[in-house]
Amino acid sequence: AQRVTQPEKLLSVFKGAPVELKCNYSYSGSPELFWYVQYSRQRLQLLLRHISRESIKGFTADLNKGETSFHLKKPFAQEEDSAMYYCALSAYGSGNTGKLIFGQGTTLQVKP
Amino acid sequence: GAVVSQHPSWVICKSGTSVKIECRSLDFQATTMFWYRQFPKQSLMLMATSNEGSKATYEQGVEKDKFLINHASLTLSTLTVTSAHPEDSSFYICSADPMGRSGELFFGEGSRLTVL
Repeated sequence: AQRVTQPEKLLSVFKGAPVELKCNYSYSGSPELFWYVQYSRQRLQLLLRHISRESIKGFTADLNKGETSFHLKKPFAQEEDSAMYYCALSAYGSGNTGKLIFGQGTTLQVKP
Repeated sequence: GAVVSQHPSWVICKSGTSVKIECRSLDFQATTMFWYRQFPKQSLMLMATSNEGSKATYEQGVEKDKFLINHASLTLSTLTVTSAHPEDSSFYICSADPMGRSGELFFGEGSRLTVL
């Protein structure tokens, strides 16, 4: 079964502290993982994807197939990082047509 | 970037009535669109995949007769909540993948449905 798990509903850190938002997945095929972000009163938007291996707004995420994880990290949190973060798995294959399966989401709160 | 627009952004209706929500891709063609439902402070639950010119593919547990999806053109998909009840009150979000099978979805602003 395809599943994405984000164990933390809320992560609260102080400005300048490191951040790690956890994401674990379950998928029998070759996974494509994404992180989406939703800032207050804005629509959901892509933050980064594992195949691009790039850093966006200081965030990085490494796909660990052995641990089936795709944790999102940032060394120094900023107040503007406060948002809802969703880990997502792209499921392909017969009948799947590239649909995204989302985790439960983690609210990141960066305090001044 | 690609733009996906939904209308209406919010709607209030009486129990037993039907409500239609439109999802448009403004600057690209989308053979496939996805409809999600989001409960307050919870994740997005995929309801169905809308396929242009053919029947939608519904996720397990989603009533296809309750949530009618029509994807009549390459830029428009509609979700009709039929005989709405208070438990159908939710935030409905559509999305599309302009590049096709890339996994990068662009989302609409969402439509909040309140059924009285």
